[in-house]
Order: sequence, then C-alpha cells, then structure tokens
Amino acid sequence: LAKTTQPISMDSYEGQEVNITCSHNNIATNDYITWYQQFPSQGPRFIIQGYKTKVTNEVASLFIPADRKSSTLSLPRVSLSDTAVYYCLVALSGGSYIPTFGRGTSLIVHP
Amino acid sequence: DAGVTQSPTHLIKTRGQQVTLRCSPKSGHDTVSWYQQALGQGPQFIFQYYEEEERQRGNFPDRFSGHQFPNYSSELNVNALLLGDSALYLCASSLVLAGEETQYFGPGTRLLVL
Repeated sequence: LAKTTQPISMDSYEGQEVNITCSHNNIATNDYITWYQQFPSQGPRFIIQGYKTKVTNEVASLFIPADRKSSTLSLPRVSLSDTAVYYCLVALSGGSYIPTFGRGTSLIVHP
Repeated sequence: DAGVTQSPTHLIKTRGQQVTLRCSPKSGHDTVSWYQQALGQGPQFIFQYYEEEERQRGNFPDRFSGHQFPNYSSELNVNALLLGDSALYLCASSLVLAGEETQYFGPGTRLLVL
C-alpha cells in the first residue's frame, strides 16, 4: 500500500498560486497519482491525474519528479470557492490495489 | 452524461438494523468501489466490484457486503449496525483504459446510526 503524507492545512489569498505537496515514498512502478477536491458533505471531485513529469488541465497542474516519491498539485490564482480539502491518492493501477487516502490538506482561501 | 449517482442521500437507522445503499456508475464504467468516510477523515476503502465479483477488500468486517448487477450498478449492505457505522458512504466508478484508471465519486449517502 502506498502511504501518502500531506500538510494538514494551508492558507492562501485570492489570486495567489497554491502548491500542495504530497509525499509517497513507496510508490509502486505501476501506480498513478490522483488528486481530488472535497467540499463538506460531498463526494471527492477529480482534479488531475498523472504518472510522471508534468500534467496540466483547465483547473490545475501536477508536477511529478523523476523519482516519483512526491507530487505537487498547483492551483493557479485561487478564489474563495477553492476552499476545500485536497487529497492525493496513489495506487490506481488497473485493479490490483487497495487505494488509501490520507487525511488530506485543508486549504483556506482568504479574501 | 450522468455522473455517479447514489441513493438515498440521507438515512437514519438504529443499532442492530440493516441498511442497503445503492450506486449507479458513470456511463461506460464497469467497476464500482465503496468507501466509508468518518467526519474529519479521508475516505476508507471498503471493497471494489468488477464483473459482478468482489475484486479487492479493505479492512472491514463481514457485516459489510456488496453486490454488483449486470448493468454495473451496485449495492452496499451493512448488517447489525453499530453507532460507529455513522459516516458518509461514497461510491466511485471507474474504467481501466490502457492500464490507467480514474475513479469518479458520487455525492455520497449520509448514514446516521442512533
């Protein structure tokens, strides 16, 4: 099981870029890295997924170094609505896994 | 394209009772996973169903059981409810393409056991 470690909380201000790093030292060769956003009493929402280097979509970027032992979710120009808990998940590799979420990072965006 | 749907949205039961939660996967997905999320915690993996069989199981007792139907929808059953079973129950569906799998979550069912 790939265990993940994230900061418990982060604070930012509207318009700033936010980077949340996740450590996953025992990531397996076939594991992908996935980030989710969750608001209170709602299901996690998929943000981005990657295997190596850099992945970018319309809402975020994901940076993965060559050793893949960590990953960084980058949220450009956050707004108040980005206040949520963010989870990184490792070990989505086609069925032979038990996904393990950590406690996530609670991001608070201030006006 | 409908996403993952779950029913009911909320449920109140008493200790010792049994409960059934339902999940319809995202269109085109054939795999369903169930999670339990206690307040302030990350989701905990219960089990996953693929081709109507349980493929993987987390550290949950046999009181938790499930089923997947031919249309890929799924049910989670919990017997002999305990107060500690109060949580948000999440269903996630996925499809493996070229070795890559992404889970999409439903809105969850909030279960309160009194």
